[in-house]
Parts: sequence; structure tokens; C-alpha cells
Amino acid sequence: DSGVTQTPKHLITATGQRVTLRCSPRSGDLSVYWYQQSLDQGLQFLIQYYNGEERAKGNILERFSAQQFPDLHSELNLSSLELGDSALYFCASRRTSNTGELFFGEGSRLTVL
Amino acid sequence: AQSVTQPDIHITVSEGASLELRCNYSYGATPYLFWYVQSPGQGLQLLLKYFSGDTLVQGIKGFEAEFKRSQSSFNLRKPSVHWSDAAEYFCAVGEGNAGKSTFGDGTTLTVKP
Repeated sequence: DSGVTQTPKHLITATGQRVTLRCSPRSGDLSVYWYQQSLDQGLQFLIQYYNGEERAKGNILERFSAQQFPDLHSELNLSSLELGDSALYFCASRRTSNTGELFFGEGSRLTVL
Repeated sequence: AQSVTQPDIHITVSEGASLELRCNYSYGATPYLFWYVQSPGQGLQLLLKYFSGDTLVQGIKGFEAEFKRSQSSFNLRKPSVHWSDAAEYFCAVGEGNAGKSTFGDGTTLTVKP
């Protein structure tokens, strides 16, 4: 158990819909990262938050947004969903240090029909 | 920009045989390097990491990796593979100071009885 909790574990929805994925980082971790894992794109960095503020942005679509709340949990919002958004979405957390390793949740599997 | 290449998409070894998974990275500064393992339906788990010092690092589950700056490589090794090692393995290069990590496309390991 990494200490990172993601909900829901599985989600099936239709094209055009909107979903919210939730992540609770390890206790004490200030940084939260979102990654998308799909068969054709591999593990792609989407966005990072540090202590409530956006820190870095990767290949995140404009239809996607995220935020980190004062209690440090984070949400990833995916809207106007397309078939190609079907993927496994991982949240990871890390403390502010130079050790650098990420602790991953088990992921939220999104299926868009 | 940093990048990671894992040349082998899929490797099959017999149980008890030795294993080497290749990883090449591109990064402008001193790299923070990681190997993670992902079992089916699970998140990624850290196997080992390199930041500085001894270029041969030991990890969990009997794995080790060697950092070779001249070759920009960080290959993962295990002397004797067990059936439970069958999984997908990801090499990653990370930015310090809680920056993001960039992952390779992964190598899927199959272990033959």
C-alpha cells in the first residue's frame, strides 16, 4: 500500500460527459502529480500541484483541468469526453525533498463508450 | 527536454535465468533515475533509485541497476528471475526539487516456467 488513494477505481461513461477523479496523497506529501496511461501513449505526465498551486503542466488537454485543495487532496476533471480519453489515470505524490521518487495510487480506469 | 528510451518492448526469460532491462536517458543535468514495476491492475512501485554516489544501486526484490554516465544508461538487472517478477517495468528520469518524472514506454517481462 503506497498510501495514495484514488477514487473511483473504475468508471464507465459516454462521450460528451464529464467526470471527476479524486486523489488523496500520502500523509505529509505536498506535491500531487497526475499521469495518464494508455496503450498507445504510454505513461504521460499531465499536471503537478504543490501545496495548492499549479507547479508544472505536461500534455494536458484543454478539456481537462485539475486542482489541489487546502487539505492537499486533488481532483482531475475531464470534460467533453471522447473515446480516446479512455485510459488509466494515476495520481502520485511526493514530499518536498530531493529523494525524488513518486508514490503511485492504484489508478482510476476510465472507459468512454 | 528530458526523455527516456526503453528499447525492448517485451522480454521473455526462463525462471532462474538472469535478466537485464535496458534504459537510456537524455537529461541536461545530473539525472535522478528510477526503476518502477507495475503488476497487472496495480499502480507503479519503486524498485530502486539513483541520485549520486555509488553507480551500482541495490533495490527491492533482488534487483540492481548500474548508472553509466558515459553511455547515458541505467540498466536494471537481476541474477535469477522468479515467476513473480512477471510485470511491466518502467525506467524514469526525474527533476530534483519535487519536479516531474518522465517515464519510458515500459518493458513487459514474461517469465517462462
